[in-house]
Amino acid sequence: KAGVTQTPRYLIKTRGQQVTLSCSPISGHRSVSWYQQTPGQGLQFLFEYFSETQRNKGNFPGRFSGRQFSNSRSEMNVSTLELGDSALYLCASSLFGTDTQYFGPGTRLTVL
Amino acid sequence: KQEVTQIPAALSVPEGENLVLNCSFTDSAIYNLQWFRQDPGKGLTSLLLIQSSQREQTSGRLNASLDKSSGRSTLYIAASQPGDSATYLCAIQGGSEKLVFGKGTKLTVNP
Repeated sequence: KAGVTQTPRYLIKTRGQQVTLSCSPISGHRSVSWYQQTPGQGLQFLFEYFSETQRNKGNFPGRFSGRQFSNSRSEMNVSTLELGDSALYLCASSLFGTDTQYFGPGTRLTVL
Repeated sequence: KQEVTQIPAALSVPEGENLVLNCSFTDSAIYNLQWFRQDPGKGLTSLLLIQSSQREQTSGRLNASLDKSSGRSTLYIAASQPGDSATYLCAIQGGSEKLVFGKGTKLTVNP
């Protein structure tokens, strides 16, 4: 069974631009969560989707948004990029959200 | 608000040694606790998941325990190998389905 895939793997953007990251969960998984990882803050929860509905949202500004499609694939969007948005963005999928989380390899975003 | 602490932040051991990584959390109302490993620049690999009703889980050379009453979990690694070198992360899942992570323990196993 294929694992969680994330595209692109690396991105370089400049301040003020926007970016869209994509996550394809393991086949059959309906829950997709997004996390931001930085050296200073560690791993922080962004949001979680289950069957196209956002169930939970972390403490991030409204510039961070996401959605989930009917095939469970998910995208997250960051508008008006800031230098502090540079991070590794990780996506995780699971069957129900309260079971084992399987993480993708991440998207490394660099904001210049 | 759930807080997760992992001590030590870094650990260096010789190959073959048995070792214990520690994780503590502040809120005992949890669904489960998961241990992950992360290699540099990579995503997270799930190692073990312990449900809140369980006391421990084992997988190969790994054994994880959970004591909700004291807010502690340990990950025991037997007969460590250089390939075990990685950052080990403990994460708590509570009522909101999100994972709350500790900052991790960076393990180095020296040949």
